[in-house]
Amino acid sequence: AQSVAQPEDQVNVAEGNPLTVKCTYSVSGNPYLFWYVQYPNRGLQFLLKYITGDNLVKGSYGFEAEFNKSQTSFHLKKPSALVSDSALYFCAVSAFSGGYNKLIFGAGTRLAVHP
Amino acid sequence: KAGVTQTPRYLIKTRGQQVTLSCSPISGHRSVSWYQQTPGQGLQFLFEYFSETQRNKGNFPGRFSGRQFSNSRSEMNVSTLELGDSALYLCASSPSWDTQYFGPGTRLTVL
Repeated sequence: AQSVAQPEDQVNVAEGNPLTVKCTYSVSGNPYLFWYVQYPNRGLQFLLKYITGDNLVKGSYGFEAEFNKSQTSFHLKKPSALVSDSALYFCAVSAFSGGYNKLIFGAGTRLAVHP
Repeated sequence: KAGVTQTPRYLIKTRGQQVTLSCSPISGHRSVSWYQQTPGQGLQFLFEYFSETQRNKGNFPGRFSGRQFSNSRSEMNVSTLELGDSALYLCASSPSWDTQYFGPGTRLTVL
């Protein structure tokens, strides 16, 4: 069965510092991995994805993520955090075995960036 | 291009009633998926429709159903509402597979 773990409920970081939001996954076959962000009372906004190719993926708003197959991880990173990055972040996985458009989400990590 | 639109944005219903939610995908997208978001269970996949056919289904009771029309617009229906059905219902569209783009959601409150 497919699953996603986001081990941290909340990540606190000072503005200007680098940030990392962790994600590990379990899936049969090759994973399709995604990061989404949710602001209060809003839907999910797509940030970036890994399908195949280069393990380092660059996305919107300066975010990037590194796919690590041996550690089954897909951590989200940003070199310099902004207060406006404060939001709820979700990691998601899908795979052919489960149906490509059936996203399995992690529980979410709340990012708080302090001035 | 316009994004995914969902109507209505907010709904209040009472137990036992039924409700229909609507989703209009991004133009040209043929896949529409539905998700339920609650504080306790997080984001859970309900079902996916592609070219008017249900292509995938999550683990929800039969009270939850959906359909897709020839213009790719989709509706989901929940019958015999329960208090636990209170949630944010999110619709997402995709060209076929690959990235899903989400709408703003419909907030359903069951009293």
